[in-house]
Amino acid sequence: AQSVAQPEDQVNVAEGNPLTVKCTYSVSGNPYLFWYVQYPNRGLQFLLKYITGDNLVKGSYGFEAEFNKSQTSFHLKKPSALVSDSALYFCAVRSPSRNYGQNFVFGPGTRLSVLP
Amino acid sequence: GAVVSQHPSWVICKSGTSVKIECRSLDFQATTMFWYRQFPKQSLMLMATSNEGSKATYEQGVEKDKFLINHASLTLSTLTVTSAHPEDSSFYICSARQGLNTGELFFGEGSRLTVL
Repeated sequence: AQSVAQPEDQVNVAEGNPLTVKCTYSVSGNPYLFWYVQYPNRGLQFLLKYITGDNLVKGSYGFEAEFNKSQTSFHLKKPSALVSDSALYFCAVRSPSRNYGQNFVFGPGTRLSVLP
Repeated sequence: GAVVSQHPSWVICKSGTSVKIECRSLDFQATTMFWYRQFPKQSLMLMATSNEGSKATYEQGVEKDKFLINHASLTLSTLTVTSAHPEDSSFYICSARQGLNTGELFFGEGSRLTVL
């Protein structure tokens, strides 16, 4: 069975400092990994994904994530945090399968607060 | 990226009435759309997979007679909450996938339902 863990419910970081939001996963086969951001009372916005290739993936708004197969991790990072980055972040995983929707699993979410 | 529109954003209704939420893919065709429910400070829970021209596939524990899903065209799926009760109050989000099997999901803005 697939699963996603985001070990931190809340991450606080000062504006201008680097930020990391952690994600680990469990899936059979090669995973497809995604990061989404959600602002209050809004849907989810796609940030980036890893399918294959370079382990370091760059996405929207200056975010990047590194796929680490040995540690089964896909941590989200940004070199310099902005107050506007404060939001709820979801990591998601799916394995290539015919049952696309059912195999798209979201983590519990991590709330990021960037303090001015 | 692709755009998914969801309407209404907010709806308040009386107990016992039915509410319809629309999900549209604006610039692409989506043979499959997904409906999620999100409780406060929690992750997304997949409710059902909406298939164009056929019956929806519901997740275990989701009442199909309570949450009616219709996918009448390649760009529109609707979720009708029938005989709504206060416990149905929640944030409902739809999503659709564009193109390739490796593609990410694109999400609507969500619909906040409050049942009085």
